[in-house]
Amino acid sequence: EIVLTQSPATLSLSPGERATLSCRASQSVGNYLAWYQQKPGQAPRLLIYDASYRDVGIPARFSGSGSGTDFTLTITSLEPEDFAVYYCQQRFNWPPLTFGGGTKVEMK
Amino acid sequence: EFQLLESGGGLVQPGGSLRLSCAASKFTFDAYAMTWVRQAPGKGLEWVSTISGSGDSTYYADSVKGRFTISRDNAKNTLFLQMTNLRAEDTAIYYCAKPQPDMRLYFDYWGQGTRVTVSS
Repeated sequence: EIVLTQSPATLSLSPGERATLSCRASQSVGNYLAWYQQKPGQAPRLLIYDASYRDVGIPARFSGSGSGTDFTLTITSLEPEDFAVYYCQQRFNWPPLTFGGGTKVEMK
Repeated sequence: EFQLLESGGGLVQPGGSLRLSCAASKFTFDAYAMTWVRQAPGKGLEWVSTISGSGDSTYYADSVKGRFTISRDNAKNTLFLQMTNLRAEDTAIYYCAKPQPDMRLYFDYWGQGTRVTVSS
């Protein structure tokens, strides 16, 4: 099973600041990694797939990078609606599909 | 726009059973493998099970293998999850999720979730 480790667990930032979230895989997943955003009481929303492609309708301030075992989600300038929990997910080697433990981006 | 609507959650005693349903609309249901993902209270996302578009292939997390059964009725555009021998650790919100095309197992549409509570 591929384990995804996200860091930090919590990121305290202000609107307008840059957010950098990390996801590290226990073994290579190629570029088969996605990022999701989840707000309280809502289902997750797909942001990024195959490490760097934005899903339909996702603002350009969200970008993904990385390959192999190290991946980054960057939000260039935080908007108030971006404060949420973010998860990574791999589809390279399944079953099982696996998710990271999440990073909470909270308002400072 | 694609729509997914789960139902069937509720309170059940340990050892009991529940059947979850997910009604899909506005997309070609049998063209997509479908998946259940759950989220325990205050916790992260956990993949539970996936079924191929035809229903011929099924996949399960080790934590539910032998207790849960995923199935689908393509004529009725509905996905199911039969859960038996439920445990306290199965308490979670259960989401059905539609993947991107071509078995690219990233999930671009999710239902609103149905809550399952296993408690005596």
